[in-house]
Amino acid sequence: DTGVSQDPRHKITKRGQNVTFRCDPISEHNRLYWYRQTLGQGPEFLTYFQNEAQLEKSRLLSDRFSAERPKGSFSTLEIQRTEQGDSAMYLCASSRDIEGYTFGSGTRLTVV
Amino acid sequence: AQRVTQPEKLLSVFKGAPVELKCNYSYSGSPELFWYVQYSRQRLQLLLRHISRESIKGFTADLNKGETSFHLKKPFAQEEDSAMYYCALSGAGGGNKLTFGTGTQLKVEL
Repeated sequence: DTGVSQDPRHKITKRGQNVTFRCDPISEHNRLYWYRQTLGQGPEFLTYFQNEAQLEKSRLLSDRFSAERPKGSFSTLEIQRTEQGDSAMYLCASSRDIEGYTFGSGTRLTVV
Repeated sequence: AQRVTQPEKLLSVFKGAPVELKCNYSYSGSPELFWYVQYSRQRLQLLLRHISRESIKGFTADLNKGETSFHLKKPFAQEEDSAMYYCALSGAGGGNKLTFGTGTQLKVEL
């Protein structure tokens, strides 16, 4: 197991297009988190899964954003009709119960 | 509401000097506090958490509930400590969402 993997590393898309990111957590971790980080800011919570159940969503997660974690394994984060304000680093993390997170390297999204 | 404040964007110290990275929090319950570190071109990683009461890479942090602070300290800075440091808070029970501060860039000069 090589840790938390995120794909792609970079994504450039035109405004209005849809994008999907994938996160593969550490296999024995039951919790999976998505965060967004913009320049000069700390990561901001987007959503959280325990196994396949999405237990919490931030108000930052507008209806253009959707996340899934089928079968409690990998997760996808989709952004529909991207806007320039969506440009950010999208971070995935996983944990086993209440232990500290292990973060992935992130997907850098640039909306042009 | 949970809030974490890191008042310094940049902290520059000389090698061998003491380091203190400040973190203050706002939370009505009993928080769990963490320090995360991001070295250049690496992913964000957990440095330490207050419940562990351990020293990692010479760093320690004490939770002061009276002052609502969780400052990160190291007696003698090393060049390899140069990195971005984030303080983070989790609500009761832990393992849920983290609220991060805006981070402090530590630069250790020779």
